Amino acid sequence: GAVVSQHPSWVICKSGTSVKIECRSLDFQATTMFWYRQFPKQSLMLMATSNEGSKATYEQGVEKDKFLINHASLTLSTLTVTSAHPEDSSFYICSARDLLYGQSYEQYFGPGTRLTVT
Amino acid sequence: GQQVMQIPQYQHVQEGEDFTTYCNSSTTLSNIQWYKQRPGGHPVFLIQLVKSGEVKKQKRLTFQFGEAKKNSSLHITATQTTDVGTYFCAGRRGSGGSNYKLTFGKGTLLTVNP
Repeated sequence: GAVVSQHPSWVICKSGTSVKIECRSLDFQATTMFWYRQFPKQSLMLMATSNEGSKATYEQGVEKDKFLINHASLTLSTLTVTSAHPEDSSFYICSARDLLYGQSYEQYFGPGTRLTVT
Repeated sequence: GQQVMQIPQYQHVQEGEDFTTYCNSSTTLSNIQWYKQRPGGHPVFLIQLVKSGEVKKQKRLTFQFGEAKKNSSLHITATQTTDVGTYFCAGRRGSGGSNYKLTFGKGTLLTVNP
């Protein structure tokens, strides 16, 4: 159980275009999902906390208008990188917590999406 | 803001040698978690420590949480090639509420020479 999927697993787009990344909890409900960004050989940098039915909470330095997050249901959160630039190229990973297990702090990570902007 | 430092950044060992990575937080943590990320993969949860001075074991892995709940360590006994990967600690400050935000350390990349 506790599987999180991401789609697409990799994407190449041209500078100036927008890209949408989906994060789904396959066998559990997640009121909270997290979006991370990871540069090669670097740590995970939390970008935002996605809350079902409400606005996302962005970390300091992360542009809300550039990284649009929508958490429309208990099993789906989306991250849209708008007007992508080459410096947005990175590995984007989402994670989710299991709603049913309130005492469980474990975050289940998706497989990640590698974005390359040309 | 909260910072989580992790050392060493890299560690290369011969198979069979022990390995330890250390994690220090600038603030007191409510709990600390450890994750392993294989090359090309995504982080996978290993364990969570909550209590001051807590020690937990998983086969060859031993996890410790400091008395002050500001530091933690992961020790692997007799490493194997399957242990290769980056080990991250992640700390959470405060308790309760719906925000389970974690602050990750930079990770320790472990490579094992067979």
